[in-house]
Amino acid sequence: DTGVSQDPRHKITKRGQNVTFRCDPISEHNRLYWYRQTLGQGPEFLTYFQNEAQLEKSRLLSDRFSAERPKGSFSTLEIQRTEQGDSAMYLCASSLELRGGPNEQFFGPGTRLTVL
Amino acid sequence: AQSVTQLGSHVSVSEGALVLLRCNYSSSVPPYLFWYVQYPNQGLQLLLKYTSAATLVKGINGFEAEFKKSETSFHLTKPSAHMSDAAEYFCAVSPNFGNEKLTFGTGTRLTIIP
Repeated sequence: DTGVSQDPRHKITKRGQNVTFRCDPISEHNRLYWYRQTLGQGPEFLTYFQNEAQLEKSRLLSDRFSAERPKGSFSTLEIQRTEQGDSAMYLCASSLELRGGPNEQFFGPGTRLTVL
Repeated sequence: AQSVTQLGSHVSVSEGALVLLRCNYSSSVPPYLFWYVQYPNQGLQLLLKYTSAATLVKGINGFEAEFKKSETSFHLTKPSAHMSDAAEYFCAVSPNFGNEKLTFGTGTRLTIIP
């Protein structure tokens, strides 16, 4: 088991371009989370999947953001028409739902996005 | 809504000295509480978690934290700092039901002085 992986690790793009990030969770984990971390801040929750169903989205997730988890395995986070304010580290985490929680979330190394 | 406040964005201690990182929480229901550590260019790693089973929680790398309901605190301590403890530390809270999304504090950067 190699843990949670994210690709790419770094992305530099120009304002207005679309970007897509991928997260591969730990294989048996049925829950997947996306967080965003800006400089000097703690991670902020963006969205959550239970298997393939997206069950909650933060108000931080504007209509330019979309996330999917087809087949309940890997997930993608797409940002359309990027803005400089989207520059941040995007973190993915996964967990296995067990009774009697809490279910530890395992984090990937993140994708650092820079919008020029 | 749940939240955590970390007092002190930067803490410096001498090698071998006591480490104390402060975290206060706000929650209308009994929460789950966590401490995560983040090393440069690495993902967040769980140090320890409070789940109401015991108020004193022991974690990895010699860290521990005590849940004090009367003070709404969950401070992180380590008796003797090591150079390898230099990192960013985050306190987090999650509800004990539903999706268990984490709400993080703003973090405390720990520097160890040789």
